[in-house]
Amino acid sequence: DQQVKQNSPSLSVQEGRISILNCDYTNSMFDYFLWYKKYPAEGPTFLISISSIKDKNEDGRFTVFLNKSAKHLSLHIVPSQPGDSAVYFCAAGSSNTGKLIFGQGTTLQVKP
Amino acid sequence: GAVVSQHPSRVICKSGTSVKIECRSLDFQATTMFWYRQFPKQSLMLMATSNEGSKATYEQGVEKDKFLINHASLTLSTLTVTSAHPEDSSFYICSASRRGGGSDTQYFGPGTRLTVL
Repeated sequence: DQQVKQNSPSLSVQEGRISILNCDYTNSMFDYFLWYKKYPAEGPTFLISISSIKDKNEDGRFTVFLNKSAKHLSLHIVPSQPGDSAVYFCAAGSSNTGKLIFGQGTTLQVKP
Repeated sequence: GAVVSQHPSRVICKSGTSVKIECRSLDFQATTMFWYRQFPKQSLMLMATSNEGSKATYEQGVEKDKFLINHASLTLSTLTVTSAHPEDSSFYICSASRRGGGSDTQYFGPGTRLTVL
């Protein structure tokens, strides 16, 4: 039972355009969400997070949107840069346990 | 930012041997450490949660006698894969949660590539 889903395994965008990565979850007990960036054979690097009491959090080129009623979150990267090319994982957590459940990841390719 | 290290970064061993992987939080005290494994092109799967000074909590389907976890101090947790077999070959990643930090403050190590021949 996949509690956190990233339905798009890959995404390709042109440099300078917006990248939108999507994530859906099923468990309403999750109360915070994070996005991580990962390169092969490396650990994930934290990008941005959002609490369930918010619907938007912005940090530079990265914005995360949360739609609780739809159990959906998205990461917007604008403008996209070739250095953004990596695998992006969304993760959902419960402050009761501190555990994170990860999605399957989306491979983003930003073309120059 | 907080730094988490793992050692070794990669290890190759023979079937039947045991392998120990260390996870250290270098510049902060970690109340909780987590161990994940990742198969190629798949997601990170949580294996266990480790709290300093207490027994680890394992996720469903993870054999606690096979994956021994010790969290002896606030900066060190170890994962020992006992009697390793080729199916244990995977990428193992630890993370550490900062003491007193928010619920989303989980920092990841660089991972350890285990190959069992």
